[in-house]
Formats: sequence, C-alpha cells, structure tokens
Amino acid sequence: EAGVTQFPSHSVIEKGQTVTLRCDPISGHDNLYWYRRVMGKEIKFLLHFVKESKQDESGMPNNRFLAERTGGTYSTLKVQPAELEDSGVYFCASSQDSGGYEQYFGPGTRLTVT
Amino acid sequence: AQKITQTQPGMFVQEKEAVTLDCTYDTSDPSYGLFWYKQPSSGEMIFLIYQGSYDQQNATEGRYSLNFQKARKSANLVISASQLGDSAMYFCAMREYGGFKTIFGAGTRLFVKA
Repeated sequence: EAGVTQFPSHSVIEKGQTVTLRCDPISGHDNLYWYRRVMGKEIKFLLHFVKESKQDESGMPNNRFLAERTGGTYSTLKVQPAELEDSGVYFCASSQDSGGYEQYFGPGTRLTVT
Repeated sequence: AQKITQTQPGMFVQEKEAVTLDCTYDTSDPSYGLFWYKQPSSGEMIFLIYQGSYDQQNATEGRYSLNFQKARKSANLVISASQLGDSAMYFCAMREYGGFKTIFGAGTRLFVKA
C-alpha cells in the first residue's frame, strides 16, 4: 500500500512568487491534514479536510494560503504571494476516520523563500 | 489550551544503551491520546507509539516504550538498546480523543554514538 506522498520534496522560490504544494493521501482515506514546521518551532496544524470539505482551517496563517481538495482525492496548498516567514517544512497527513488515533504523515515539502 | 513541552533540544546516547526522551503535556480534556513520531534526516514522519489517556498499562512497541505518568502529565519515550539508525528528531504529540488536530512539541534531536 502506497503511503502519503508529497510533491515537490523541496522548493526554492523568491519572495512574492507563488508556490503550489501537492499531497496525495493514502487511497481510501477521507481525512487529510496539512501541518507545517517553521524553522526551530513546533509543527503546527493548518487545516483538515473530510473528503473535499474543509472541516477546520483555523490554523491557516493568513489569506495568502489557499488549500483545496477537489474531488476528495489529492490536495493542494498554494501560497501566493510567498513571504520569507513562509519558509519551513509542510507536512500532509491522512487518516481513514477522524476519530482514529493514527494519522499517516507524508515526507514533507521543504519550502525555502529567498 | 493543549500544550506539549519537550525540554531537551538535543541528546546523546552511546550505541546499545537506553535513552529517555522527556515529554510533558497540558490539557483539560480527560480523553486524549499521546504519540511519539520519529523524523530521520530523510524527512518523513514515522509513527512510533501511542498511549491513550485511559490505558492502564504503558505502551510498548519493540524497543520503544512510553513511560506514562498521568498525574505528572508526562509521557516519556524510552528507547532501549539504541542503534545508529535511531539518530533522528523525535516529536511528542497529543490529540483529543476523537479529534483531528495534533499538537506537537518542539522535538528532541537524538544522536547515537558508535
């Protein structure tokens, strides 16, 4: 069974540019989560999808971040325009049901904004 | 509010020895789960072990055990017989039972010496 995959693994962009991160959850997992770890800080929850619906986006830092999950399969996280403080590692996770204890994490996308 | 505290930014251990990584937590919710994840240099987050707040016994998974002291709100990870491959970042995390938002600590970087 394939795990959670994320693309790209690493992205380097200039301030002001746009970047789109992609996450493919484990097949059959309705729940998809985005987290990020800014350098030296804790991993923070960004948002949670159940299928294509956003259940909680309270962790999204500002309106420069837009997450979508069209069709309830893969998800994208767009940052537009990127700022220096957006640099960090963005993790995606998925789970079969939100009450379950295990969330399967992807390898993360390291975003560097210069 | 929920909070996870990992006070050891870095730890060294000799190969084949045991090591304890500290984790304390704070929550007002009586039902919660505690997790430990390993993040090797390759970046992926690997689930190691889970402890439910109502579990009577400490969780164990192979060389990993969780020293759960509910009254002290601590959930230390014990790795027995350390191996060079255990060198990684370790995150303690918590989630409300039935919830979806995982709260992470800042992590502890473990170095295993040959």
